[in-house]
Amino acid sequence: DTAVSQTPKYLVTQMGNDKSIKCEQNLGHDTMYWYKQDSKKFLKIMFSYNNKELIINETVPNRFSPKSPDKAHLNLHINSLELGDSAVYFCASSHIRSGGIEADEQYFGPGTRLTVT
Amino acid sequence: AQKITQTQPGMFVQEKEAVTLDCTYDTSDPSYGLFWYKQPSSGEMIFLIYQGSYDQQNATEGRYSLNFQKARKSANLVISASQLGDSAMYFCAMREGPLNNTNAGKSTFGDGTTLTVKP
Repeated sequence: DTAVSQTPKYLVTQMGNDKSIKCEQNLGHDTMYWYKQDSKKFLKIMFSYNNKELIINETVPNRFSPKSPDKAHLNLHINSLELGDSAVYFCASSHIRSGGIEADEQYFGPGTRLTVT
Repeated sequence: AQKITQTQPGMFVQEKEAVTLDCTYDTSDPSYGLFWYKQPSSGEMIFLIYQGSYDQQNATEGRYSLNFQKARKSANLVISASQLGDSAMYFCAMREGPLNNTNAGKSTFGDGTTLTVKP
């Protein structure tokens, strides 16, 4: 009964290759995200989708393209991989929690460690 | 300017003692939300606690409490009775803007504080 799942957990590939990371959430949340965490642990948002529509697109190279086929899935495709793309990529989801104090905390997947050689 | 500042790269605390992790934020929006997340060495990110800018009381969740000082723009995390399992990296985050479908979850994260609990 995993809430947010990502595949693969580890991805080792060579420069110039194209790869995809898949994300699925079974929480019924409306919004999903991709984050990049670099080797210094800095966490930066890349994309956000709300009900399959792109709502956040931070300064990310065009080589990164998210795709949301439905509310429960948000995949990340990366073209022409570069050394600097090596990082841990986290998928997350959230919704507006109500009933008492409203909040919008995020639930993260386990991360995908991408290593580009 | 940094939206979220965590000035303590690393902190140590003795088991069973309390510890405060600092977080200051910068926003001109009157409506915002503040979060703390924990990242153990295993890598997953775990939500701990939330404070809304209009919430009258400081948030508490079990051993976690948030010392929210709005005028000082600080949202420090207090962990009481530290346990060895609390050793992890802790991130403060902020959502700017009201809680609606457009803003929900649009958070900026601080650089994190590594907490080590000593036995």
